[in-house]
Amino acid sequence: DAMVIQNPRYQVTQFGKPVTLSCSQTLNHNVMYWYQQKSSQAPKLLFHYYDKDFNNEADTPDNFQSRRPNTSFCFLDIRSPGLGDAAMYLCATSLPGGPNLYEQYFGPGTRLTVT
Amino acid sequence: GDSVTQMEGPVTLSEEAFLTINCTYTATGYPSLFWYVQYPGEGLQLLLKATKADDKGSNKGFEATYRKETTSFHLEKGSVQVSDSAVYFCALRGPGGYNKLIFGAGTRLAVHP
Repeated sequence: DAMVIQNPRYQVTQFGKPVTLSCSQTLNHNVMYWYQQKSSQAPKLLFHYYDKDFNNEADTPDNFQSRRPNTSFCFLDIRSPGLGDAAMYLCATSLPGGPNLYEQYFGPGTRLTVT
Repeated sequence: GDSVTQMEGPVTLSEEAFLTINCTYTATGYPSLFWYVQYPGEGLQLLLKATKADDKGSNKGFEATYRKETTSFHLEKGSVQVSDSAVYFCALRGPGGYNKLIFGAGTRLAVHP
């Protein structure tokens, strides 16, 4: 089945130690998104890629970076995690057109703990 | 800016009860509206959508009608099942970017036998 995969599902890192979260997709979608979801809050968009075109949300901290080496993979790098960065990180994909234009396909998320 | 407000949970119902989860939005113009569902341990899945005023989205017995007069998109189901227990997110397509979604905080539904 075509899907969005996130690894690992649970990640523990130390305060200030860089961490990378991974997302891969077999849907061949042009657009990939990263969301941050804190406990009992709405998912918040951090950035998205349309192919290799990177689009950062205005309020995304500089501590968060992303890479998309090819269509299938996208990475979220947190350069110096703080305690406030503990959250669920959701990856999603979508097509830029067609009948399912507005649908986003989500992975299961990676829960990040910062100690 | 654009925003979505949905009723706080948890909502606890008995099986076969009627469900309503309220959702209202603030936006410029008439954005597309969505309900996403998140089952335990899984990612969000699109449940239904409506792209213009007065549209009714429906799926798996759930329905929601896009009401521009009241800027609302309430989710309803006539008879819930235990398997409907999940967190439900109302969302709108925000301005700018490709399909940028703005979510509500989510409403947890617990259905017991």
